[in-house]
Amino acid sequence: GAVVSQHPSWVICKSGTSVKIECRSLDFQATTMFWYRQFPKQSLMLMATSNEGSKATYEQGVEKDKFLINHASLTLSTLTVTSAHPEDSSFYICSAFWGTGYSPLHFGNGTRLTVT
Amino acid sequence: QQPVQSPQAVILREGEDAVINCSSSKALYSVHWYRQKHGEAPVFLMILLKGGEQKGHDKISASFNEKKQQSSLYLTASQLSYSGTYFCGTGVTNDYKLSFGAGTTVTVRA
Repeated sequence: GAVVSQHPSWVICKSGTSVKIECRSLDFQATTMFWYRQFPKQSLMLMATSNEGSKATYEQGVEKDKFLINHASLTLSTLTVTSAHPEDSSFYICSAFWGTGYSPLHFGNGTRLTVT
Repeated sequence: QQPVQSPQAVILREGEDAVINCSSSKALYSVHWYRQKHGEAPVFLMILLKGGEQKGHDKISASFNEKKQQSSLYLTASQLSYSGTYFCGTGVTNDYKLSFGAGTTVTVRA
């Protein structure tokens, strides 16, 4: 089955530093990947749509300069949280799909970011 | 805008049935259902496209009423493995930009 690998699974960083999270589709090519943020016991909130070879599309209210997304290849998208602050602490999760219609989204295992 | 899921939580004994509802204020193209266990990635259950269809996966099935802009997930003869948080994701077009409900936490006890 389609596998999406997300790395790291958890990271603790100091306030003011930047953190990069990788999302890889291991056995399929994903022209589009999505990045979400999930607060405890809450839903997945779409942050941005990452398209290979072009600029990411950010949802309203998401700072593009704060959350840098790069989709360098058909199998890799990265999310960099720049100048992280404690309020950026959250669970970040990516998803990818290929195909159309009945194709499911395949999710990574998520990254728990804690900013101290 | 996020779809509204109900109930927020449900506790079942093995073998019991449950229904989870997902309602949207917008006309929908698709409804996706996923199950997430604590600390893990959401796992795909099924997709329903507009057309009022019903689909099934083992003893988990779902219906989609596009006129009412809602979908229901049916857990039949629940098993311990059904425990987790169920999310519906709704799409208004075929671009896979889904809005997810707040989730329904299902606990199945022996």
